[in-house]
Amino acid sequence: GQQVMQIPQYQHVQEGEDFTTYCNSSTTLSNIQWYKQRPGGHPVFLIQLVKSGEVKKQKRLTFQFGEAKKNSSLHITATQTTDVGTYFCAGSPGNQFYFGTGTSLTVIP
Amino acid sequence: SQTIHQWPATLVQPVGSPLSLECTVEGTSNPNLYWYRQAAGRGLQLLFYSVGIGQISSEVPQNLSASRPQDRQFILSSKKLLLSDSGFYLCAWSVTSGSYEQYFGPGTRLTVT
Repeated sequence: GQQVMQIPQYQHVQEGEDFTTYCNSSTTLSNIQWYKQRPGGHPVFLIQLVKSGEVKKQKRLTFQFGEAKKNSSLHITATQTTDVGTYFCAGSPGNQFYFGTGTSLTVIP
Repeated sequence: SQTIHQWPATLVQPVGSPLSLECTVEGTSNPNLYWYRQAAGRGLQLLFYSVGIGQISSEVPQNLSASRPQDRQFILSSKKLLLSDSGFYLCAWSVTSGSYEQYFGPGTRLTVT
């Protein structure tokens, strides 16, 4: 079945340091989405990538979709305490999305 | 604007009891609807998705079932809860074409005792 893995599972960083989470799929994806879930909250959509090799930026966040459309990454530059939460990728081969295992980010002030 | 409602917010049920969680969406028509379960500190597991009234696809065999009696209503049910059914249940919707960006409800935290 469809599997989407994320690494690392947990990451603690000092405020101001960079952070990266990686997402890998066992199969080729038509697109990939990224979500953020604050502690105690529900996932909130961040961005969608569709094209092979696509790179998108949102302020300090940079999202990449691999050339083979089987992996993706999210990089945060100069983390802030507001970045705390769990980041999920979600890959789609069709109507349904398969969420990655998530990376829980803790930012130490 | 679109809104998604889920209730109840929290629920404590004994093993063997039935379950019914409801999700409704406002402000959109013919959405795709999804039920996910999230165990404590874990990722989201897709349980069911629906592309239309009465059309339900199950992703994981379990003692749960889903129904979509109306276009914007999605119900998650169980006849007899197990301890392993505890978790955070999230309903989500998306449009049926284009980005498929998912919008999540506030969730129901279920504890089976």
